[in-house]
Amino acid sequence: AQKITQTQPGMFVQEKEAVTLDCTYDTSDPSYGLFWYKQPSSGEMIFLIYQGSYDQQNATEGRYSLNFQKARKSANLVISASQLGDSAMYFCAMREANSGGGADGLTFGKGTHLIIQP
Amino acid sequence: DGGITQSPKYLFRKEGQNVTLSCEQNLNHDAMYWYRQDPGQGLRLIYYSQIVNDFQKGDIAEGYSVSREKKESFPLTVTSAQKNPTAFYLCASSIGGSGRTDTQYFGPGTRLTVL
Repeated sequence: AQKITQTQPGMFVQEKEAVTLDCTYDTSDPSYGLFWYKQPSSGEMIFLIYQGSYDQQNATEGRYSLNFQKARKSANLVISASQLGDSAMYFCAMREANSGGGADGLTFGKGTHLIIQP
Repeated sequence: DGGITQSPKYLFRKEGQNVTLSCEQNLNHDAMYWYRQDPGQGLRLIYYSQIVNDFQKGDIAEGYSVSREKKESFPLTVTSAQKNPTAFYLCASSIGGSGRTDTQYFGPGTRLTVL
């Protein structure tokens, strides 16, 4: 079973509109972190926002916010007032707490290709 | 400026040859990672290292090898045993330590093509 599911392969949005990118996750670990990354056509992964499983409030970073619904296991990214430069692939990722301590990798979804139209 | 560098940006190799991808960071991060990305897919973890002289296999380690002799460097060798090596390879680093809050930062990637 996939741990991270992004159900929207592609989206077209008009400039200046808000956009919501969906992400659902699957874990039995009570301690986990959720991340969103942006990947423009150049290929580099750019960190956008983080939400911890114990965080009481939804994370916000500038025009990015995370709609975290823990009971539904969803962590949707909201981009307000979209801009042409927001056109890119967007990936949701999860890191479960490593019981042995130390760093571990991220599990990624397959991404959503967002295109902002003028 | 602090950051992660990967070289080369594009790499071509003949089938049956080993090739080494470079990853260097000057962020003073303890942890480093290698991911592979195939077209239309998310990233998959190849290897990671929490500290110098230590590294662990990720989900798709077969056909790859790494070393971590210095804190700032984590080279990846794609061996001839890797059956389908053509892909985009991304290196990342993080402060390290336990838990879910450790944010990974990525380099610009290397696109490997096997001819």
